[in-house]
Amino acid sequence: GENVEQHPSTLSVQEGDSAVIKCTYSDSASNYFPWYKQELGKRPQLIIDIRSNVGEKKDQRIAVTLNKTAKHFSLHITETQPEDSAVYFCAARGGGADGLTFGKGTHLIIQP
Amino acid sequence: NAGVMQNPRHLVRRRGQEARLRCSPMKGHSHVYWYRQLPEEGLKFMVYLQKENIIDESGMPKERFSAEFPKEGPSILRIQQVVRGDSAAYFCASSPGGGKSEAFFGQGTRLTVV
Repeated sequence: GENVEQHPSTLSVQEGDSAVIKCTYSDSASNYFPWYKQELGKRPQLIIDIRSNVGEKKDQRIAVTLNKTAKHFSLHITETQPEDSAVYFCAARGGGADGLTFGKGTHLIIQP
Repeated sequence: NAGVMQNPRHLVRRRGQEARLRCSPMKGHSHVYWYRQLPEEGLKFMVYLQKENIIDESGMPKERFSAEFPKEGPSILRIQQVVRGDSAAYFCASSPGGGKSEAFFGQGTRLTVV
């Protein structure tokens, strides 16, 4: 089945700087890659996603890139703000499995 | 649209009891997924259901765990004879269709086994 690796597990950046979180996946048939943000004690919330026919997608301060050849995708957050502090999960779906396979998460800390 | 509704939000069970977790998908969504999240860890896929069908249960333990999504009513995740290791947050997500559809999560049920 699919295996998703996510790095780093913890990321601390100064407010206003950029943050990058990286994920790799194992199943070349995977075709859908969402990112979720989870604040403490709350539900995971979809923040952006990308499909296998697109290399990059941007939504205001958030962007996601996908490299299908290398089987990795990344989340980029620019001009970070305190409210960006949360745990971020990448996920992949495809290759015959319908459930999302999640990475272990990145705890993003925005330093004032 | 009320979103994905899970109940109860918190559930305490003694070892050996049964736990029943309920999930009502978003209006118009016919696909339901259950995930388990242990403290400080990621989300582990358990089972994917459509109305009256289990599509993929590859992530569900073979014993004590079962899931259903009847024609009428919510999806139910049932854990029999709970043990301390079952303590976790259980999240349900729904989508309008499988494949490339976005999945939206409920608030989760936090199960504590004492």
